[in-house]
Amino acid sequence: TAGITQAPTSQILAAGRSMTLRCTQDMRHNAMYWYRQDLGLGLRLIHYSNTAGTTGKGEVPDGYSVSRANTDDFPLTLASAVPSQTSVYFCASSDNPQGPQYFGPGTRLLVL
Amino acid sequence: GQNIDQPTEMTATEGAIVQINCTYQTSGFNGLFWYQQHAGEAPTFLSYNVLDGLEEKGRFSSFLSRSKGYSYLLLKELQMKDSASYLCAVISNDYKLSFGAGTTVTVRA
Repeated sequence: TAGITQAPTSQILAAGRSMTLRCTQDMRHNAMYWYRQDLGLGLRLIHYSNTAGTTGKGEVPDGYSVSRANTDDFPLTLASAVPSQTSVYFCASSDNPQGPQYFGPGTRLLVL
Repeated sequence: GQNIDQPTEMTATEGAIVQINCTYQTSGFNGLFWYQQHAGEAPTFLSYNVLDGLEEKGRFSSFLSRSKGYSYLLLKELQMKDSASYLCAVISNDYKLSFGAGTTVTVRA
């Protein structure tokens, strides 16, 4: 079982460029999430989706957008990357919003 | 908002017991999770507490006191593979998960 996959594994991106981080789950989970993890700050929620067709803002949504066209996919887009968006990005999913979340392997992004 | 505090680092000897404390102040509480994260890897789910008391799962146990805003994760019979970061996370009434910065546990032989 694949669980949650993320692509790319890592990326170096020039400031001002756009990029989409991909996330796919095969567990038919209703809820999906995007977090960033920075040293000393822990995981912070960027955007979430409780069910296909709906999305919501987390703690640090500025500079990011998401869409949830179907149950399996939850892409995260950086429209115009800035160096402060250098981070490790984790996608997660859960069967219901109150239950445990299961994380993908992460995407390591460096914005120069 | 959420405020979740846990120690930054702990060191223990193989075979020993370590207790990782977590205190929280949240605007609404719907449960507390513990996750394990090895260096360079994704967090993995360890335990979930929603009611007061102790939940035991093999060598790992997690305790919750909602009135005190306090939880701990107890790791028994430590093994080298338990060296990792342990994340305390609280889910609020709007079902958003907030994480502490994590406690790095180093197990020494």
